[in-house]
Formats: sequence, C-alpha cells, structure tokens
Amino acid sequence: ELKVEQNPLFLSMQEGKNYTIYCNYSTTSDRLYWYRQDPGKSLESLFVLLSNGAVKQEGRLMASLDTKARLSTLHITAAVHDLSATYFCAVGNYNTDKLIFGTGTRLQVFP
Amino acid sequence: DTGVSQDPRHKITKRGQNVTFRCDPISEHNRLYWYRQTLGQGPEFLTYFQNEAQLEKSRLLSDRFSAERPKGSFSTLEIQRTEQGDSAMYLCASSPLEGAKNIQYFGAGTRLSVL
Repeated sequence: ELKVEQNPLFLSMQEGKNYTIYCNYSTTSDRLYWYRQDPGKSLESLFVLLSNGAVKQEGRLMASLDTKARLSTLHITAAVHDLSATYFCAVGNYNTDKLIFGTGTRLQVFP
Repeated sequence: DTGVSQDPRHKITKRGQNVTFRCDPISEHNRLYWYRQTLGQGPEFLTYFQNEAQLEKSRLLSDRFSAERPKGSFSTLEIQRTEQGDSAMYLCASSPLEGAKNIQYFGAGTRLSVL
C-alpha cells in the first residue's frame, strides 16, 4: 500500500530564513503534487512534478522530485509571513486517479 | 468559472441521522473526487467518478456511505446513520479528463460535526 510521509510536521521559522520540507513515498509513482492549505480554506495546487529530476519554482518556493529515492522536497527561500500555511505533498499514479496525501507540514513564519 | 462549490459549508447533526452533501465541480471537468480530512491529517480518498460512472471506492467508504453523480455534473455524498467518528471535513475535487498533470481542484469542503 502506498504511503506518503512528510517531515517535519511542524515548522516555525523566522522571516528571511531558508528551509526544506521533505516528502517520502513508499512505492513507484509517476506524479507528485504539492498543495497549500490555509486554515478553513480549500487546498490550492502549487506544483505538479512528473519526471525524475523535475524542478519547479514559483516565487520563494521551489519543488523537486527524485523518483529513484522516492523523495520530493519543497524548499522555502527567505520566508515571509504570507507563506504561513499547511503544505501537503500527494502522490498519484496514471492508472489510479486517487491522490495519497502526506500528513502535512504546518509552517509558521514569524518576524 | 467559480471553482468547485460545496454545500453546505457546515453541518451539525445528531448521531443516527442521515446527512447529504452536494458538490458542483468546475464546468466541463469530467472527473470528480471525494476525500475526507480529519484534524491534523491529510485528505483521505473516498471515491471518484468519471462522468456519471463511479470508478473506484475506498474501503473507508462503508455501506453507510453512498455517492452519486447522476448526470455527470454535480455529485452528492450521503451518510446514513451517522456516527461520531464520521465527524470530519468532506472535500470535493474535480479535474479535466485530458492532460497528464491531472491537477485536482478542491472545494472549500463541508465540515460535519456529529453530536
């Protein structure tokens, strides 16, 4: 059974600092998603990674995928308060449309 | 396009009652998904439809749960004889049939509290 693990579960970081969130998954998958969720709000799609070595960047966030290691990272550069949210990675498969989500990383950025 | 719409946003019910939730996907999205999210956890897959056909159901979906998408547009999720363990956020998502990315767009969810 496919399992997805994220770490850390909680991350409190100062504005301006850099940090990385890790997402490990247990079986082969051909697509990896990152979502953001603000309290009481819907999940917002951030990135879709489809191949080994894929790297996507948007603003202060950069996601990468290593399919051989079954690992994706979400790197935060020079954090700002607006990035405070819960970040989920999710793994999908071309043949199975369901997404398997990690437990999420709750990020809090303070001044 | 207003995105995925879910109704109601909040539902409080007594144990043993039946509840029904509605999801309106993004227009022209063929695929529709239901997930359940409990506090501090990631969403868990329940079921999904391609047009009106229900193609997969999780074992989480007990016989008290039923989902329909009768005309391939909106969907309903019904829970019969609710239990306190059913308390959760129920999320709906939709995606277009075409495209390798298959990005799922989520609604704001229906929060169910069973007393």
